[in-house]
Amino acid sequence: GNSVTQMEGPVTLSEEAFLTINCTYTATGYPSLFWYVQYPGEGLQLLLKATKADDKGSNKGFEATYRKETTSFHLEKGSVQVSDSAVYFCALSTRGNTPLVFGKGTRLSVIA
Amino acid sequence: DTEVTQTPKHLVMGMTNKKSLKCEQHMGHRAMYWYKQKAKKPPELMFVYSYEKLSINESVPSRFSPECPNSSLLNLHLHALQPEDSALYLCASSQDRGPPDTQYFGPGTRLTVL
Repeated sequence: GNSVTQMEGPVTLSEEAFLTINCTYTATGYPSLFWYVQYPGEGLQLLLKATKADDKGSNKGFEATYRKETTSFHLEKGSVQVSDSAVYFCALSTRGNTPLVFGKGTRLSVIA
Repeated sequence: DTEVTQTPKHLVMGMTNKKSLKCEQHMGHRAMYWYKQKAKKPPELMFVYSYEKLSINESVPSRFSPECPNSSLLNLHLHALQPEDSALYLCASSQDRGPPDTQYFGPGTRLTVL
């Protein structure tokens, strides 16, 4: 079956540090890959996505590249801010009306 | 507009109460979803509606009853819930056909069952 594995948290960084959250997947066919972010007390927001191999998704300084050869979609940001503190979920979808397959989530805390 | 709205934001109910959660989207999406999220866990799928018809039911207890009155609205009727049903309930929507599409989530309803 389809699955997503992402690094366990929590991750604690100082402001302006470099962030990497690893995500690997197993899927049949050609999935689309997503990063969602959940701020405390809120729902999930789409952070970025990629729909085919070698695509790079980017938003708000975050980037992730769809690597088919390593089945990975690692999230990176060059300089984190306190406001980036949240839980980050890696997810995949294989078809238009099927549920997302989520990783377990990674909690990020950024301290000033 | 990529907004999914949910009401109420918070709900406290007793085990004998009947209540409903509501979800609305105006993006023309024909797939709508209910997810349940417990603390420090990813969302878990409950139901999927495709063109207003229930297409997936993940073995959810009958005390949860979904309804899709039209292409923009999704309800979740609650009756005789248990304290362990306390969670964040998330609604989402997406395109229904073709290649995988982004699911847009609402802000959720925080449910507490006493």
